Formats: sequence, C-alpha cells, structure tokens
Amino acid sequence: LAKTTQPISMDSYEGQEVNITCSHNNIATNDYITWYQQFPSQGPRFIIQGYKTKVTNEVASLFIPADRKSSTLSLPRVSLSDTAVYYCLVVNILTGGGNKLTFGTGTQLKVEL
Amino acid sequence: NAGVMQNPRHLVRRRGQEARLRCSPMKGHSHVYWYRQLPEEGLKFMVYLQKENIIDESGMPKERFSAEFPKEGPSILRIQQVVRGDSAAYFCASSPQAGGQETQYFGPGTRLLVL
Repeated sequence: LAKTTQPISMDSYEGQEVNITCSHNNIATNDYITWYQQFPSQGPRFIIQGYKTKVTNEVASLFIPADRKSSTLSLPRVSLSDTAVYYCLVVNILTGGGNKLTFGTGTQLKVEL
Repeated sequence: NAGVMQNPRHLVRRRGQEARLRCSPMKGHSHVYWYRQLPEEGLKFMVYLQKENIIDESGMPKERFSAEFPKEGPSILRIQQVVRGDSAAYFCASSPQAGGQETQYFGPGTRLLVL
C-alpha cells in the first residue's frame, strides 16, 4: 500500500493559486491518485483523480510527473470557502474487492481575505 | 438524485448501550463502505459491503461491531456495548460498482458520543 506524505497545513489569500504537493514514492503501476476535500462536520467530497500527466476539471487541476512519485493539486483563485482539509490518496485500480480508501491526516488549507 | 444519506446525524449513548447507524446509498449504488474518523485524524476504513454480502471487514474491530446491507433497506453499522473510545464520526460512502476508478460518494456522517 503506497504511503502518502503531504504538508500538514497551508495558508493562502483569496484570489491566489494554491498548489498542494503529495509524495507517494512507492506508488505501484496499478495505482492511481485521487484527491478529496473535507469541510468541518461533513463527509469528504471527491475533487479529482488521475493516473499520469495532467487532469483538469471545473474545480482543480492535478499534475502528475512521469515518475508518478508525487502529484500536485492546483486550486486556481481560491476563496474563503476553499478553507478545508485536502486528502491525497493512492488507490489500487485492480482491487477486485472494492477500493477501500486510506486517508492520511491531510493538508489543512486556510484561506484569508 | 439524492446523495448518500445517514441517520441519525448525532447520537448520544451511555456506556454499555447499543448504537445503530444507518446509511442509504445513492440511487443505483450497490456498494457501501463504512469509515470511522477520530478527532484530528483522517478517516479509517472499517468495512465494505455489497447487497447481502460483507466483502471486506478487515478494518472493523472483531468484537462488538457488526455491519449489514440487506436486500431491502439501508446499510446498518451496529456497535454493541459502546465504550467511550467508540466516540467518533462514522461516515458511509457508496459507489455504483467496485474496482476500476469508481468514485466513492460520502454521506454527512453520524457523530457518536458515548458518555
């Protein structure tokens, strides 16, 4: 099971771009990367996932270098409402019995005016 | 399409009582996962169920905890003879199928407090 390492916390200001990097040095060929967001007193919410290169959706971008040993979640022009905990997860694509997700402690992002 | 629903949202029990947590997956989803989150920690996997079957319960304590997902009705996580250490937020997630890159959709959680 690939272990992930990400910063405990980050601070930013409204309108700035925020990049959260996650290390997963022992990622396997059949693993993909997924990111979740969690607000206080709520369940995690899926943000984005990818296998390699770059993935973009209406919320964020995910950059994955060729060696896949790290990934960077990019949030463009953050607002106060983006203050949350962001989790980086590595998930095995071939797990026939379902993908049980392994959450670390995540990165607490705080956005200020 | 309603999301994953959990009830109750908050549950208070005294030591030794039973706690029953319910989860209704999203419409069309037949796979349910239960996770537990202690304060200041990430979620920890407990159990994965399909309709009428427990597929993986490797994260669930062997004693006092049980889970079911009947053919009809919600999934139930049952904790017997609760202790203070069971106080946590319990989240349920569902997906339409297992494996691949299926996204898990989480409910709002049930916050259990054991007095």
